[in-house]
Amino acid sequence: NAGVTQTPKFQVLKTGQSMTLQCAQDMNHNSMYWYRQDPGMGLRLIYYSASEGTTDKGEVPNGYNVSRLNKREFSLRLESAAPSQTSVYFCASSEALGRINGYTFGSGTRLTVV
Amino acid sequence: AQRVTQPEKLLSVFKGAPVELKCNYSYSGSPELFWYVQYSRQRLQLLLRHISRESIKGFTADLNKGETSFHLKKPFAQEEDSAMYYCALSSQGAQKLVFGQGTRLTINP
Repeated sequence: NAGVTQTPKFQVLKTGQSMTLQCAQDMNHNSMYWYRQDPGMGLRLIYYSASEGTTDKGEVPNGYNVSRLNKREFSLRLESAAPSQTSVYFCASSEALGRINGYTFGSGTRLTVV
Repeated sequence: AQRVTQPEKLLSVFKGAPVELKCNYSYSGSPELFWYVQYSRQRLQLLLRHISRESIKGFTADLNKGETSFHLKKPFAQEEDSAMYYCALSSQGAQKLVFGQGTRLTINP
């Protein structure tokens, strides 16, 4: 049982390049999330998808787009990478039945934009 | 709006000493609270949740509604407890967790 799988684990981009971070979960969870983790800033929500077919902005959505491809997959796209997007990105999923009962996190993607 | 505050960004204690990581929240309803831990270069994982009333790896946390707190405690710290700790809150009807800014705990030998 893999849980939440993120790819790639590491990536270096040049300013202006684009890329997509992939996330898949095999727990039949309804909700999926993308966070970024920066020193001193904690976890900040970028986008989330409460259920298949819906997406909503979080705290720091600028410069990102998301796609809930199906119930299992939720991708995060950087259209034109900037150095400020250097961070560790975590995907998470949750059952979300009326109230969040906790997340299961992926292992993270360490992104460096030069 | 819900908010979670972890007042200490860094906390350093000696091995064998007691440790307490503070978490305060603001929410007018009945919250559900969690502690997540992230060991070096690993994914975040659930440490404990208040409704379970369990002790994991020697850690406990009690929800104090009067003080709106959910502090994490361990009587005798071990070196393997060094990690980043996040407190998080779930509110009724909300579709996401609200996280605190995290506390980096270092246990000195």
